[in-house]
Amino acid sequence: DARVTQTPRHKVTEMGQEVTMRCQPILGHNTVFWYRQTMMQGLELLAYFRNRAPLDDSGMPKDRFSAEMPDATLATLKIQPSEPRDSAVYFCASAWRGGIKYNEQFFGPGTRLTVL
Amino acid sequence: QQQVKQSPQSLIVQKGGISIINCAYENTAFDYFPWYQQFPGKGPALLIAIRPDVSEKKEGRFTISFNKSAKQFSLHIMDSQPGDSATYFCAASMGSGGYQKVTFGIGTKLQVIP
Repeated sequence: DARVTQTPRHKVTEMGQEVTMRCQPILGHNTVFWYRQTMMQGLELLAYFRNRAPLDDSGMPKDRFSAEMPDATLATLKIQPSEPRDSAVYFCASAWRGGIKYNEQFFGPGTRLTVL
Repeated sequence: QQQVKQSPQSLIVQKGGISIINCAYENTAFDYFPWYQQFPGKGPALLIAIRPDVSEKKEGRFTISFNKSAKQFSLHIMDSQPGDSATYFCAASMGSGGYQKVTFGIGTKLQVIP
C-alpha cells in the first residue's frame, strides 16, 4: 500500500524554536510538493521539487523557511525561527511526472504545527 | 488574491439530497480542473477531474459540470450519504515553468445529516 508518510504528525513548540518536518514520498515518484493549510488561506503551495531539485519555492517565506531533498526518499521543511503565525497543517504530496501533463498528487496525512 | 473562488464554505445536506459546490476562475490559462476530498485528520485525495474541452464528467454519484465561457465549474454529489461528509476543494492547474502548478479553492465543508 504505497502512501506518503509525514513525521511528526503533531508538533507543539515555542516561538523562536526550530521546527523540522519530514516527508517520505511514494517510491518512484519524482516530484514533491509542500503545502500549508489554514482556515483563512486554504491550501497554499510552499515549494515544489522535481528529481530532488527545487523548481518553485516562491510561496515560501525565504527568511525563515527552507526546503530540501537530501535524497529521493526524504524531503524536509524547516522553519527557523518559528512564529505563532506559522501555526497550520503542513502537507507533503508526491506525484510522478514525465512532462508538463497534470498527474495526480498524493497527499500525506499532514503535520499539525502549533507555535505558542 | 484568490485565483479560484469556491462557494459555499460550508454546506449541510440531508441524506439522499444533492450537494452542489461551485467554483469560478479568472485565468484562462488553466487547463485542468481537479476536485479533492479531505476527511478530518487526513490529506486531500483526488476525487474527480475534468479538462475544459468537456462540459460534464460523471463518476458514480459525483459529477463535474464545466462552463468554459462563464469560467465556472461545479461538483454535484447525487444521493448524498453521511460518508460523503468531508471538505471538498476545487482546483485549477496550468503549466508554469515546466510543471503543472495547482491552485486550490478555499474549500467547502460538507455535512450530510441522516
